[in-house]
Amino acid sequence: QVQLQESGRGLVEPSETLSLTCTVSGGSISDYYWTWIRQPPGKGLEWIGYIYYNGNTNYNPSLKSRVTISVDTSNNQFSLKLSSVTAADTAVYYCTRRVAIRPRYYFDYWGQGTLVTVSS
Amino acid sequence: AIQMTQSPSSLSASVGDRVTITCRASQGIKNDLGWYQQKPGKAPKLLIYTTSNLQSGVPSRFSGSGSGTDFTLTISSLQPEDFATYYCLQDYGYPLTFGGGTKVEIK
Repeated sequence: QVQLQESGRGLVEPSETLSLTCTVSGGSISDYYWTWIRQPPGKGLEWIGYIYYNGNTNYNPSLKSRVTISVDTSNNQFSLKLSSVTAADTAVYYCTRRVAIRPRYYFDYWGQGTLVTVSS
Repeated sequence: AIQMTQSPSSLSASVGDRVTITCRASQGIKNDLGWYQQKPGKAPKLLIYTTSNLQSGVPSRFSGSGSGTDFTLTISSLQPEDFATYYCLQDYGYPLTFGGGTKVEIK
């Protein structure tokens, strides 16, 4: 059974960089699109971006200038960095696995989510 | 970006009711649409992918239909465990975008 677990600081000061890591267990990191999605408190879901196991990335244009997603295949981890954060970046951040082999497109495994609060 | 408009934003229903949630895309997305269920404090859970394919383990009372710009999630007979928020997701073009969600509450 594939499991994903987010880790990282839960409190980040404005203008600093948010850093999260997702550890994948129970399966290989190969052949999937590893994705970050966030959800501000009481609001809907926002796709942040993905990294393919070979290192290819795709980011939401609304965040592109501030986002970096990287992968460490040797440790079955992928990471998110979001720079110059503001209170608007306060959210639960989810890591998830995306299957994207036509006709199957979906997010099948999710981490439990981690709340990151931006505040001084 | 493709906008996904979901309706209603909330609804009240009773156990046993038939419930329908709709999602409209701002442009054609073929059948690249999924539905996710989220309960409070939990990660979303995949219900249906590619418009009408039921994810393994999901009860058959859930079904999806549509194509192009208009899509529907139907719960044929609402069960107590179905009270949750439902999101559609377009998987056709980047950035991937979700609908605003439909909260299904107990009547």
